[in-house]
Amino acid sequence: EVQVVESGGGLVQPGGSLKLSCAASGFTFSGSHMHWVRQASGQGLEWIGRIKIKPDNYATTYAASVRGRFTISRDDSKNTAYLQMHNLKTEDTAVYYCARPGIGWYSLDFRGQGTLVTVSS
Amino acid sequence: QSALTQPPSVSGSPGQSVTISCTGTSSDVGAYNYVSWYQQYPGKAPKLMIYEVTKRPSGVPDRFSGSQSGNTASLTVSGLRAEDEAEYYCTSYAGKSNFYVFGTGTKVTVL
Repeated sequence: EVQVVESGGGLVQPGGSLKLSCAASGFTFSGSHMHWVRQASGQGLEWIGRIKIKPDNYATTYAASVRGRFTISRDDSKNTAYLQMHNLKTEDTAVYYCARPGIGWYSLDFRGQGTLVTVSS
Repeated sequence: QSALTQPPSVSGSPGQSVTISCTGTSSDVGAYNYVSWYQQYPGKAPKLMIYEVTKRPSGVPDRFSGSQSGNTASLTVSGLRAEDEAEYYCTSYAGKSNFYVFGTGTKVTVL
């Protein structure tokens, strides 16, 4: 069964840092690009970024809203993707999901419940 | 990159049909045939309902259908059922720099 478990969320002060993890199982993690998407409470979904697979040199792409502050990485030996967040702002408060590519081109498959990040003083 | 525009809410009685629009630009929806639709229940992760504008993943009822005309994509839910009451989001590929853009979301209410 395909599963992803996001973890690492919590309360952090503005300007602080946090690192989220996404542990995957049930599929070939090393063969899957991985995405991060967030959702503020009562708000819509926002794509944050993506990390490609090793043959693509683990290339990353980010949304403008997080570029330069967030970094996505992965450890294929642990079937885990990461989201390192720096200089956090109150507007970064959200549930963070990781997702793998879905069926066809440019769709996403969400299998986890997300992890909540709260940025507040 | 601005979010795609969806109506905040639509409603219908059981058995009726509702259609949700998703309006983007010539840089996203209008540029590619890569619109997807997701269903989300409160507190749950989104579920893929439609991909590549019109295609349904295995297990998604054929009551759900997608279409696109120019910069606007649409999701139609026919034969509304109580379990269709949820939030629906569209998304489109938006090119190598912006990659994905999501819609603002639409709450479907079954009366």
